Amino acid sequence: QVQLQESGPGLVKPSETLSLTCTVSGHSISSGNYWGWIRQPPGKGLEWIGNIYHSGSTYVTPSLKSRVAISVDTSKNQFSLKLSSVTAADTAVYFCAKMPSSDAFDIWGQGTVVTVSS
Amino acid sequence: DIQMTQSPSTLSASVGDRVTITCRASQSISSWLAWYQQKPGKAPKLLIYKASSLESGVPSRFSGSGSGTEFTLTISSLQPDDFATFYCQQYNSFPYTFGQGTKLEIK
Repeated sequence: QVQLQESGPGLVKPSETLSLTCTVSGHSISSGNYWGWIRQPPGKGLEWIGNIYHSGSTYVTPSLKSRVAISVDTSKNQFSLKLSSVTAADTAVYFCAKMPSSDAFDIWGQGTVVTVSS
Repeated sequence: DIQMTQSPSTLSASVGDRVTITCRASQSISSWLAWYQQKPGKAPKLLIYKASSLESGVPSRFSGSGSGTEFTLTISSLQPDDFATFYCQQYNSFPYTFGQGTKLEIK
């Protein structure tokens, strides 16, 4: 059974860097899927942040591209998100998800709440 | 970016009703469209992929149709567990984009 679990600080100060990790269990991260990050501000809809392939190729939404880095660690079966220079607008629930090649996000983590506040 | 527009934003219905939610893309996305169901405090759940393919384990009362720019999600007979918010998502091209959501409420 494939499971994804987000982890990281729940509180980040403005202008600092948000760092989250998604640990994948029950499935090798090297098996050819895309792995994605999606966020949801409080009371709002879903926003795709970016995807990474097991090879390390990344695709990031243009509005966040200058602040986002997504990486993969196949040895730990994890992938990570770093979002720099955060503001209150980055407060959201952050989800990681699995995306089979050329298909939709079929497995999601439970999500982690990140609040940007001093 | 491809804009995804869902209608209606809110839908009130009763158990047993047949309901339809529409999703329109600002340009053709072929059949690269997914539908998700999200309940409060939970992660989205994939219902439909490639516009009309039912995800494993999803009840057959859910169905999807459409291609190009216009898509629909239909629930043939609403069950109490179906009341939630539904999102469409295009994955034809980057950046992937979601519709704004349709909240399905109990009438």
